[in-house]
Amino acid sequence: QVQLVQSGAEVKKPGASVKVSCKTSGYTFTSYDISWVRQATGQGLEWMGWMNPNSGNTVYAQKLQGRVTMTRNTSINTAYMEVSSLTSEDTAVYYCARGLGFLAVAGGVDYWGQGTLVTVSS
Amino acid sequence: SYELTQPPSVSVSPGQTARITCSGDALPHQDAYWYQQKPGQAPVLVIYKDTERPSEIPERFSGSSSGTIVTLTISGVQAEDEADYYCQSADSTGTQGLFGGGTKLTVL
Repeated sequence: QVQLVQSGAEVKKPGASVKVSCKTSGYTFTSYDISWVRQATGQGLEWMGWMNPNSGNTVYAQKLQGRVTMTRNTSINTAYMEVSSLTSEDTAVYYCARGLGFLAVAGGVDYWGQGTLVTVSS
Repeated sequence: SYELTQPPSVSVSPGQTARITCSGDALPHQDAYWYQQKPGQAPVLVIYKDTERPSEIPERFSGSSSGTIVTLTISGVQAEDEADYYCQSADSTGTQGLFGGGTKLTVL
């Protein structure tokens, strides 16, 4: 069965960086795009960006350009998302999610990771 | 910047029909997706490409599109449908994704 398993919760100080991993299984990693979505407590969903695991091509939300980097390691079917220069505004649950197979930026997603809580606090 | 607009809340009684709208200027040109999210859980895809329903989603969930508005319809609402619902699409260039602000469905 398709699974996306994310790394554990993180606590970071303002100005630091955080890297979240998303280990996939149950499907061909390079055939489906990966999106990252975050959600602050009590708030809505925020689209962060998209990656084609086959080519490594990425598209980032304009709001996060310059602070977010999405990468992958195809040998271990794992995607990564790193956010730098953290502020309290980045405190949120971060999700990775598998695309529907259309390889379209901002296309829908069907399987989600369990979420990773990132807390930014001094 | 481009936005998708949803009503903050919709309330219906069990067995009635709930309609949740999502409006955006680029919706005539970009596919829309709908997600259901219950407290403490990851979202679940309920409608993709405006009107398509994943096989595991109950038939009472349907999607439609008309111009700049897409609509999620839940027929014969059940108590278990109480959740937050989000639409998702892309801007006119298709290179920036975004979500609507979300709609809280309350089953009275």
